[in-house]
Amino acid sequence: AQTVTQSQPEMSVQEAETVTLSCTYDTSESDYYLFWYKQPPSRQMILVIRQEAYKQQNATENRFSVNFQKAAKSFSLKISDSQLGDAAMYFCAYRYQGAQKLVFGQGTRLTINP
Amino acid sequence: EAGVAQSPRYKIIEKRQSVAFWCNPISGHATLYWYQQILGQGPKLLIQFQNNGVVDDSQLPKDRFSAERLKGVDSTLKIQPAKLEDSAVYLCASSSYEQYFGPGTRLTVT
Repeated sequence: AQTVTQSQPEMSVQEAETVTLSCTYDTSESDYYLFWYKQPPSRQMILVIRQEAYKQQNATENRFSVNFQKAAKSFSLKISDSQLGDAAMYFCAYRYQGAQKLVFGQGTRLTINP
Repeated sequence: EAGVAQSPRYKIIEKRQSVAFWCNPISGHATLYWYQQILGQGPKLLIQFQNNGVVDDSQLPKDRFSAERLKGVDSTLKIQPAKLEDSAVYLCASSSYEQYFGPGTRLTVT
């Protein structure tokens, strides 16, 4: 069974600084997708960034980028120039090519200090 | 484009009572999901529909939970009877490719 692990229950960072959230996963599949979702107090899950496993290039979306290490099964999220609006729970998620359901990690609560 | 709609946003019931949640997916999305998110955890899939057929309900506690998706559009999730451990946020999502989530229903069972 596929599992996703986020080992940092909480992280905090000063506004305008950079923070990295960690995620590891376990799978025997070769074709899959990895995601980072943001969940603010409103509870709405918002897709931040997506990475296809067959792509060697790390995905980037504005201030958000990932470090995808397929051999190590590691998928970290880097947030540059942190803003107060980035404060939320962040979930790492996995989906393999042949399915649509997402498997989520336990989440990391990110606090931004002004 | 309208997002995934869910109601109610909050519900408080006593144990052994029944409760129902409603979800209206994004128009044209064939796949609909119900996730359970217990406080401090990531969402866990309860059931996945493709149109009005069930694709995956392996983690749905079928002795008390039921779900339906009539006409392949709206869906309802029911719990009967509720237990204390059912207190959670119930998220509905729909997809054509990527999943889009609704705002969730926070259920408190006392």
